[in-house]
Amino acid sequence: AQKITQTQPGMFVQEKEAVTLDCTYDTSDQSYGLFWYKQPSSGEMIFLIYQGSYDEQNATEGRYSLNFQKARKSANLVISASQLGDSAMYFCAMREYFKAAGNKLTFGGGTRVLVKP
Amino acid sequence: DAGITQSPRHKVTETGTPVTLRCHQTENHRYMYWYRQDPGHGLRLIHYSYGVKDTDKGEVSDGYSVSRSKTEDFLLTLESATSSQTSVYFCAIRGGQGEGEKLFFGSGTQLSVL
Repeated sequence: AQKITQTQPGMFVQEKEAVTLDCTYDTSDQSYGLFWYKQPSSGEMIFLIYQGSYDEQNATEGRYSLNFQKARKSANLVISASQLGDSAMYFCAMREYFKAAGNKLTFGGGTRVLVKP
Repeated sequence: DAGITQSPRHKVTETGTPVTLRCHQTENHRYMYWYRQDPGHGLRLIHYSYGVKDTDKGEVSDGYSVSRSKTEDFLLTLESATSSQTSVYFCAIRGGQGEGEKLFFGSGTQLSVL
């Protein structure tokens, strides 16, 4: 079973609108972290936001927020007021802290976002 | 800038030849990783290192070996390159405490095996 599932391979969003990128995860651990990375066409991986499994509040970072629903094992990324520069691939990732290889990130397959002017 | 340099940035090689990719960091971080990126698969872990001469396998380690003789360098070797190893390879280092000890990534190496 995949640990990180991103069901939306690609999506369009109108400039200035909000967009939600889905991410569900699978773990039996109680202690884990969830990450979102952005990969523009230039190829670099850019960290966006982090949510710890014990964090009671949803993480926010500027126009990015993480809608964390622990019982449903989902960690959706919300981008508000989309900009043309938001066009990129977005990856959800998870770290399980008590695994033997607890220092690695496991990534989902990614969602490509194209912002239309 | 997390001080990660990958070399080469691009490489074309022939099936059956050995290939070595280098990751160099200037931040003295303990943990280093090699991932490969393929369409539809996101990034998959090949090998990682948790110190000098301390390495372990990831989920797609077959056909790859690594070495870390110095803190700053983590080498990935394709022992006998195959076309299925055509991919983009990313090196990453693990940051310090805060933000879940996120990974910082290098710029990637585009490898084509013909």
